[in-house]
Amino acid sequence: KQEVTQIPAALSVPEGENLVLNCSFTDSAIYNLQWFRQDPGKGLTSLLLIQSSQREQTSGRLNASLDKSSGRSTLYIAASQPGDSATYLCAVLRDNYGQNFVFGPGTRLSVLP
Amino acid sequence: ETGVTQSPTHLIKTRGQQVTLRCSSQSGHNTVSWYQQALGQGPQFIFQYYREEENGRGNFPPRFSGLQFPNYSSELNVNALELDDSALYLCASRIGTEETQYFGPGTRLLVL
Repeated sequence: KQEVTQIPAALSVPEGENLVLNCSFTDSAIYNLQWFRQDPGKGLTSLLLIQSSQREQTSGRLNASLDKSSGRSTLYIAASQPGDSATYLCAVLRDNYGQNFVFGPGTRLSVLP
Repeated sequence: ETGVTQSPTHLIKTRGQQVTLRCSSQSGHNTVSWYQQALGQGPQFIFQYYREEENGRGNFPPRFSGLQFPNYSSELNVNALELDDSALYLCASRIGTEETQYFGPGTRLLVL
């Protein structure tokens, strides 16, 4: 059974810092891995999607890496801003048919002005 | 905006009651998934519907059931509500097996 964990559970940083969020998964047989952002009480916004054959994806100040063999992914946020404050969730997809995402518990990020 | 809406936004029920949550997807989105997110946890997959048939289910009991309609709307029904059913319920839709899923804002259910 796939299990996804995220470290740290919460993080508070001053504006402008670079930071790394970590995600680990127990079963390396994944189809893809996605990072999502969730604002309080709201739905999910997809940030980055990494296919199982890829090593990293970049979008603006965000960079996500994937090491499938070790069951790890990191989300790097450069030059953090107060607007980045949210919960960040990673999710792995075993296949693209009847099964669906297995989510981690999330990292709650606060960026202080 | 994802084009996915959910209603109601908030709901309070008592233990033992039944509830129906609704999701309206974009035109053409014939796959819809439902997730339960307890406070402080990541979403958990409940089930998925494709062309009005359930084609995948997570570890949830049969009292969680669903329907998908030809107009790209769907419902999640929960019978015999328990206190632990209190959560944010999210739906996500997509076209077939396309990788991009669009999440709605969720319905927050409180069971007293």
